[in-house]
Amino acid sequence: GIQVEQSPPDLILQEGANSTLRCNFSDSVNNLQWFHQNPWGQLINLFYIPSGTKQNGRLSATTVATERYSLLYISSSQTTDSGVYFCAVGPYNQGGKLIFGQGTELSVKP
Amino acid sequence: ETGVTQSPTHLIKTRGQQVTLRCSSQSGHNTVSWYQQALGQGPQFIFQYYREEENGRGNFPPRFSGLQFPNYSSELNVNALELDDSALYLCASSLGRANTGELFFGEGSRLTVL
Repeated sequence: GIQVEQSPPDLILQEGANSTLRCNFSDSVNNLQWFHQNPWGQLINLFYIPSGTKQNGRLSATTVATERYSLLYISSSQTTDSGVYFCAVGPYNQGGKLIFGQGTELSVKP
Repeated sequence: ETGVTQSPTHLIKTRGQQVTLRCSSQSGHNTVSWYQQALGQGPQFIFQYYREEENGRGNFPPRFSGLQFPNYSSELNVNALELDDSALYLCASSLGRANTGELFFGEGSRLTVL
């Protein structure tokens, strides 16, 4: 089956710093989403981005489908950005299934 | 707020018992998916329901079963609970049977099996 790898697994930043999170996937996909999981466990939608580039405030994302990777950029990080960031992909012809990576745990220090 | 609600938020069961978890989908969505997230792991796909029929299943045994109702709400049932079933169970709603739509998750039901 399709493999989803996220890097780095852990990241510690000082408040105000910028960061880039990466998601590599092993086969073509027709869906890609980025989520932020808060300390209470809820998955918050960040981007629905099977291809192209999107921006939302301090966050932006780029997916290069032909090269099978996606990047999530966080600029001017804040302590509230702390948590786990997941990339999830939807393989072709597998119904409604999304496959999640193992996540990047981000800690932003004041 | 995603408009997806799950209940209960926390529960404790013992091995061998049965549990039912509930999910109300976002208004206008006709598809519900269930995921299991063990501690320190990414969510794993259990199954999806589209218009009351199962539309894809992950690598979970038959003691994991589900239902979707005419109002598109859903239940996840787990029989003969095992210690390894302890996890956060997440429900997601979306529109359409394919996995091309955006998924919106509820806050989860945290199950502990003793």
